[in-house]
Amino acid sequence: GQQVQQSPTSLVLQEGENAELQCNFSTSLNSMQWFYQRPGGSLISVFYNPSGTKQSGRLTSTTVIKERRSSLHISSSQITDSGTYLCAIRANSGTYQRFGTGTKLQVVP
Amino acid sequence: DPKIIQKPKYLVAVTGSEKILICEQYLGHNAMYWYRQSAKKPLEFMFSYSYQKLMDNQTASSRFQPQSSKKNHLDLQITALKPDDSATYFCASSPPPEINQDTQYFGPGTRLLVL
Repeated sequence: GQQVQQSPTSLVLQEGENAELQCNFSTSLNSMQWFYQRPGGSLISVFYNPSGTKQSGRLTSTTVIKERRSSLHISSSQITDSGTYLCAIRANSGTYQRFGTGTKLQVVP
Repeated sequence: DPKIIQKPKYLVAVTGSEKILICEQYLGHNAMYWYRQSAKKPLEFMFSYSYQKLMDNQTASSRFQPQSSKKNHLDLQITALKPDDSATYFCASSPPPEINQDTQYFGPGTRLLVL
């Protein structure tokens, strides 16, 4: 089955609202990374966060290894935040990253 | 300046033909990867190379063959193309683990359409 699951699948926010994106994984991990992707665009690394909490501007990532989950919090959303957010893990026993199916975020005025 | 170059940006091919996707990175990384993204599936890992040697291959079909002529090059040759091969193919690279574990940098992708 799918080792990396993201929720929600899609999300529509009004500008200024906050968002919480979830990533759940079914295996113990060695690394966890969040990516941002515009439609038809490449992937841009947002956070490398295998454990704990990291913040960068309006974005905060929290990974709780014991609970096998990671979250990405976007505060005061902006229209330019629209796109797809992907999480990826590398399992302890793995040699490559596995990606979730992504959360498609749309921020409207 | 782009640090990971993929060529071509768009590619249309006929079923049964052969194409080569080019990837060059100028980040000084030793590890390079290929991923595939289609509408039907999540981003899928295909290959990883380190110091020009194959480290992992998760692609079932031998029609996909990576080629590394230089340390900063990892091309992808695809033979006997099928419509199901239509996808965006991303190249990525990462620094050695001792610098920043597992942070991967992606190229802009090559969008392949097989008719």
